Amino acid sequence: EAGVTQFPSHSVIEKGQTVTLRCDPISGHDNLYWYRRVMGKEIKFLLHFVKESKQDESGMPNNRFLAERTGGTYSTLKVQPAELEDSGVYFCASSQGLPYGYTFGSGTRLTVV
Amino acid sequence: QKEVEQNSGPLSVPEGAIASLNCTYSDRVSQSFFWYRQYSGKSPELIMSIYSNGDKEDGRFTAQLNKASQYVSLLIRDSQPSDSATYLCAVLLGSSNTGKLIFGQGTTLQVKP
Repeated sequence: EAGVTQFPSHSVIEKGQTVTLRCDPISGHDNLYWYRRVMGKEIKFLLHFVKESKQDESGMPNNRFLAERTGGTYSTLKVQPAELEDSGVYFCASSQGLPYGYTFGSGTRLTVV
Repeated sequence: QKEVEQNSGPLSVPEGAIASLNCTYSDRVSQSFFWYRQYSGKSPELIMSIYSNGDKEDGRFTAQLNKASQYVSLLIRDSQPSDSATYLCAVLLGSSNTGKLIFGQGTTLQVKP
């Protein structure tokens, strides 16, 4: 079974630029999550999709972040325009649903300079 | 008060010893608890889940849950150098119906040969 795939693995962009992160969940997992870990802090929830619908986006920091999951398969997370404080590791995870735990992707390390 | 608290460590134990990792949480009605292991630069990997009071054993790992004390722990028996990693405690809040996990900051474990 293929795992959760994320790309790019690393991205370095300048402040003000746009970056799009992609996540391919495990096939058949309707639940897809985005999390973020900034330096020295705990992993924090951003949002949750069930198929193509946003179930909970309470963790999205502001309107510079836009997540989509067209067709209920892969998801993208766009940051536009990027700010310095957006730097961190962005993890995607998928799950069959409660009460199971997640399978995480390897993450995208975003550096905004 | 953080919703999920862990001692960041590092916790250093000799090879073959028992490593004890602890986690407290603030939401009294939380029902599901997870331990993830994260090697440096890698994604979190689910190693244990526990839902009921008491102990749950899986190989060298034992998770312990005490809901009255709002405390969950992970014991690693016969610790090996390969167990050296950051261990993340994650809690599914009682109010959540979406699978949103709250993570602690993680405890770094060092197993010395």
